[in-house]
Amino acid sequence: ILNVEQSPQSLHVQEGDSTNFTCSFPSSNFYALHWYRWETAKSPEALFVMTLNGDEKKKGRISATLNTKEGYSYLYIKGSQPEDSATYLCAFIRYNAGNMLTFGGGTRLMVKP
Amino acid sequence: DGGITQSPKYLFRKEGQNVTLSCEQNLNHDAMYWYRQDPGQGLRLIYYSQIVNDFQKGDIAEGYSVSREKKESFPLTVTSAQKNPTAFYLCASSPRTGISYEQYFGPGTRLTVT
Repeated sequence: ILNVEQSPQSLHVQEGDSTNFTCSFPSSNFYALHWYRWETAKSPEALFVMTLNGDEKKKGRISATLNTKEGYSYLYIKGSQPEDSATYLCAFIRYNAGNMLTFGGGTRLMVKP
Repeated sequence: DGGITQSPKYLFRKEGQNVTLSCEQNLNHDAMYWYRQDPGQGLRLIYYSQIVNDFQKGDIAEGYSVSREKKESFPLTVTSAQKNPTAFYLCASSPRTGISYEQYFGPGTRLTVT
């Protein structure tokens, strides 16, 4: 079983704070890494799909970086807003595993107004 | 609207009974998946199907069964052999091919077995 870990498990920040969290995954046989946002009472939605070492993706105030050689990805949120409150999941795809995702445990972000 | 539907949202069963969770998609995706979430844990793969009439076990398939008779539908049966069936169940789908393999999720079914 592949080991995909996310830290921290939970995070409380004030509105306007910038924050970041980490996803660690096996550095060998890398194919892709996904980030998903899961808001309470909704379905998880894809944020980013990252495939190349050094990839940087951005969507509004949220961005992500990828280091496949050392096996980690960072998700950054600039100027957090209450609507950013959600659980952020990363998911690793191993080479030759087709479309099989192995998820981390998630980071639960709560942004206080 | 294209998407994935799961029904029901909440399901209650007595121990020893089999129960089937529904998952339907109209995204024309070939691949479909079932995940389980327990408190404080990430999503764990139960079963997946790459194409109609074919499916494979995921990491935690024991006590579960699936069928894939139609492209749109991938029902999951939680059998009485599943020792800890109470959990939140998510269904997802994705294109079978394509580099992104982004998955689209349904709203989930919370199953409680007493």
